[in-house]
Amino acid sequence: QVQLVESGGGVVQPGRSLRLSCAASGFTFGSYAMHWVRQAPGKGLEWVAMISYDERDKYYGDSVKGRFTVSRDNSRNTLYLQMTSLRAEDTAVYYCARDPGGATIDYWGQGTLVTVSS
Amino acid sequence: DIQMTQSPSSLSASVGDRVTITCRASQAISNYVAWFQQKPGKAPKSLIYGASTLQSGVPSKFSGSGSGTDFTLTISNLQPEDFATYYCQQYNSHPFTFGPGTKVDIK
Repeated sequence: QVQLVESGGGVVQPGRSLRLSCAASGFTFGSYAMHWVRQAPGKGLEWVAMISYDERDKYYGDSVKGRFTVSRDNSRNTLYLQMTSLRAEDTAVYYCARDPGGATIDYWGQGTLVTVSS
Repeated sequence: DIQMTQSPSSLSASVGDRVTITCRASQAISNYVAWFQQKPGKAPKSLIYGASTLQSGVPSKFSGSGSGTDFTLTISNLQPEDFATYYCQQYNSHPFTFGPGTKVDIK
C-alpha cells in the first residue's frame, strides 16, 4: 500500500533553515511527480511546491519562491523540502502528496509540524 | 494567480441530507479542479479530480461537476463520517491554489 511519511519538522528560529523529508513506499517512487502542501494552524490548505518525476521541472507557490527548494532522491525513494530564511508565517503542518498524473493528488502523508519561533 | 472561492464557508446539515458546495475560479480553468475532504487533526483525503472523476475507493455518494469557472461538489445521503471540511483546488496553472474550505457540520 502507498505510504508517505514526513519527517524533519520541529521548532526553528526565524531566519534559520530546515529540511523536511518524505519517505515513500508501496509504489515506484521514481515514476511519480510529487507535491508539498502546508496548513497553518487553524487555517486552510496552501500548495507549496511540485517536482516532476525526473526532477527536471519544479514549481513553487508565491509565498515560498526563492526561499524553499524541492528535490528528490529516487534511489532513496525520498522527497525533500529545503526551507531557508524561515518566517513566523511558515509555521504549519507540511504534507507531502503523490501526483498520479496530470498534476493531481491522490495520496497524502500524515504531515510534519514546523514551528518558526524565537 | 488564479483565486478560488467557495460558498458557503460553512453549513449545517442533518444525517441523510444532500448538500452542495460551490467553488468558483477567478478565470476559466477548464475542468482542472480537485476536491479534498479533511477531518480535524487528519491529513486531507482526495475525493475528485478532473472536476467529476472519483478517486479510487471514493463512494459514489460524492459527485462533482462544472467546467470553466464554476464547480460543485455534491454529497448525497450525508452520514456522520462525512462531517468535515471540504476544499477545492485548481491545477490548471501554477501556482496551484486551494479554495478557503467549506465546513460541513451536524445540525
